[in-house]
Amino acid sequence: GQSLEQPSEVTAVEGAIVQINCTYQTSGFYGLSWYQQHDGGAPTFLSYNALDGLEETGRFSSFLSRSDSYGYLLLQELQMKDSASYFCAVNPPGNNQGGKLIFGQGTELSVKP
Amino acid sequence: NAGVTQTPKFRILKIGQSMTLQCTQDMNHNYMYWYRQDPGMGLKLIYYSVGAGITDKGEVPNGYNVSRSTTEDFPLRLELAAPSQTSVYFCASRGGGTQYFGPGTRLLVL
Repeated sequence: GQSLEQPSEVTAVEGAIVQINCTYQTSGFYGLSWYQQHDGGAPTFLSYNALDGLEETGRFSSFLSRSDSYGYLLLQELQMKDSASYFCAVNPPGNNQGGKLIFGQGTELSVKP
Repeated sequence: NAGVTQTPKFRILKIGQSMTLQCTQDMNHNYMYWYRQDPGMGLKLIYYSVGAGITDKGEVPNGYNVSRSTTEDFPLRLELAAPSQTSVYFCASRGGGTQYFGPGTRLLVL
């Protein structure tokens, strides 16, 4: 089975850098995704790591290390609008998995002035 | 494109009532999903579909049914509502490896 662990809450100040970790116990997966959700609204896609290493998209970067069963989302130059919940998710393996995602429980990020 | 749309936005049901949550996407995606999200938790997959006429169970399918007669529509049916089904329900479709979510339906079962 798959199990993903994230911190429940993280607090940081505007302009700072914050890292949200995601550790997992799974028999294998195709890739690690990150989604952002504001105030219970629709989750939106942020980043995807199919391979080990760093993926950068503007102020957001995501990292994956399969050997360490670990990934993280890095947010730079934090802005107040970055206050949201962040979820890591994996695509489980198998021939008939239909591209479905298994989500972590989410990390609530609070950005303070 | 409207993307993924869901109706209704909010609904209160009595125990034992039934209802259908509607989901429509206009991106011509084959893959569609239904999730539920309880307060402070992640999303749990209820059912998914890889194309018209093909559906399969996710992690938490009990108490729900789905159908997929067209590419665009993927309704979720609750037959006998229970308080445990109080949650926010999100529909999503998949394109280019990314899942696109609808705005959600908030359901309260009393």
